[in-house]
Amino acid sequence: AQSVTQLDSQVPVFEEAPVELRCNYSSSVSVYLFWYVQYPNQGLQLLLKYLSGSTLVKGINGFEAEFNKSQTSFHLRKPSVHISDTAEYFCAVSWEGSYIPTFGRGTSLIVHP
Amino acid sequence: EAQVTQNPRYLITVTGKKLTVTCSQNMNHEYMSWYRQDPGLGLRQIYYSMNVEVTDKGDVPEGYKVSRKEKRNFPLILESPSPNQTSLYFCASSPAAGFSYEQYFGPGTRLTVT
Repeated sequence: AQSVTQLDSQVPVFEEAPVELRCNYSSSVSVYLFWYVQYPNQGLQLLLKYLSGSTLVKGINGFEAEFNKSQTSFHLRKPSVHISDTAEYFCAVSWEGSYIPTFGRGTSLIVHP
Repeated sequence: EAQVTQNPRYLITVTGKKLTVTCSQNMNHEYMSWYRQDPGLGLRQIYYSMNVEVTDKGDVPEGYKVSRKEKRNFPLILESPSPNQTSLYFCASSPAAGFSYEQYFGPGTRLTVT
């Protein structure tokens, strides 16, 4: 079965520091890749997605992610985080031929002042 | 405003008392699904629907039922809730059943079964 691994369950950082949230998936066949963000007491919303083309994808709120096919990774980065970035972040992967996306277990980003 | 709505947002009930969580979307989306979110387990799909009258099981369907009689609505039914169904539930929709589409999520329903 296909799987998505978010290597860190929790990432604490100080405000204005850079951050990387890691996501790896199990197969390098055709995939579409997504990052969602869940702010406290809210539903998930799309942060960014990779469908094709440039491997560096820019999303909302200054986040970006890089698709690395050989390493089957799609890590999320931000050069300088704000307190308001404190949230749960989910990586999701859809494999060609499947109607059901697979979500990682989530990474809790905690930004300290 | 394009959105997915869920009701109720919070629900406390007792074991065995049937309940329904409603989900509605106003974007004319074909694909809808239900997830549960539990600490350390992330999101797990319960059921999904590719269109009206077309539903199928996700990863954790036991103890749940769904129906899709109208395109906009996709209710989740717990016929006999048990404490292990205490969780945070999300409804989601997307334009069609295809792996390139992002999903739009509702605000969530926090269910407690005592």
